[in-house]
Amino acid sequence: AQKVTQAQTEISVVEKEDVTLDCVYETRDTTYYLFWYKQPPSGELVFLIRRNSFDEQNEISGRYSWNFQKSTSSFNFTITASQVVDSAVYFCALSEWNAGNMLTFGGGTRLMVKP
Amino acid sequence: NAGVMQNPRHLVRRRGQEARLRCSPMKGHSHVYWYRQLPEEGLKFMVYLQKENIIDESGMPKERFSAEFPKEGPSILRIQQVVRGDSAAYFCASSRDSNSPLHFGNGTRLTVT
Repeated sequence: AQKVTQAQTEISVVEKEDVTLDCVYETRDTTYYLFWYKQPPSGELVFLIRRNSFDEQNEISGRYSWNFQKSTSSFNFTITASQVVDSAVYFCALSEWNAGNMLTFGGGTRLMVKP
Repeated sequence: NAGVMQNPRHLVRRRGQEARLRCSPMKGHSHVYWYRQLPEEGLKFMVYLQKENIIDESGMPKERFSAEFPKEGPSILRIQQVVRGDSAAYFCASSRDSNSPLHFGNGTRLTVT
């Protein structure tokens, strides 16, 4: 069985601070996908990244970066120089390689960025 | 290029009524997924459909819930005899194939009074 744990339910930071959202996963599969989604207050789900288990290179996209550590089963997400618009709930998710888009989601981390 | 379209955006039903949630996938996408988000929780997979076929419904409650994706028209998630515990946001997502990235709709917020 798969499981995704986001231990931080809420994080509050002041604008311009860096913040890291943790994600730890469990799976018996050797090949799988990992995802991050953003859910702003308006409620829609915004895709941020998909990473396959073969690729452990860290990824950077503007102020966002992701650190995939297979040895610790973690896929953490860092926002550098946070902004008020980053305030949202962030979800980490996992899918088996042959399960395609049947994702298992973590419980989410609510990030509040104060001006 | 329109994204995944869900309607209605908000739906209010009294206990015992039926709820019908509609989802039109992105153009060119033939794989549809429904997810449910209970208040203050993450999303839970419900069902995966391709045109006219249910591929995986392992996340669907055994009673009162059904889903279809007909040859023509949108995918429908149907909840019969709704109860308060069905109040949630229901998200539809589509993809070109089972390994292409998922695109989510804006969700339907169902409130059962």
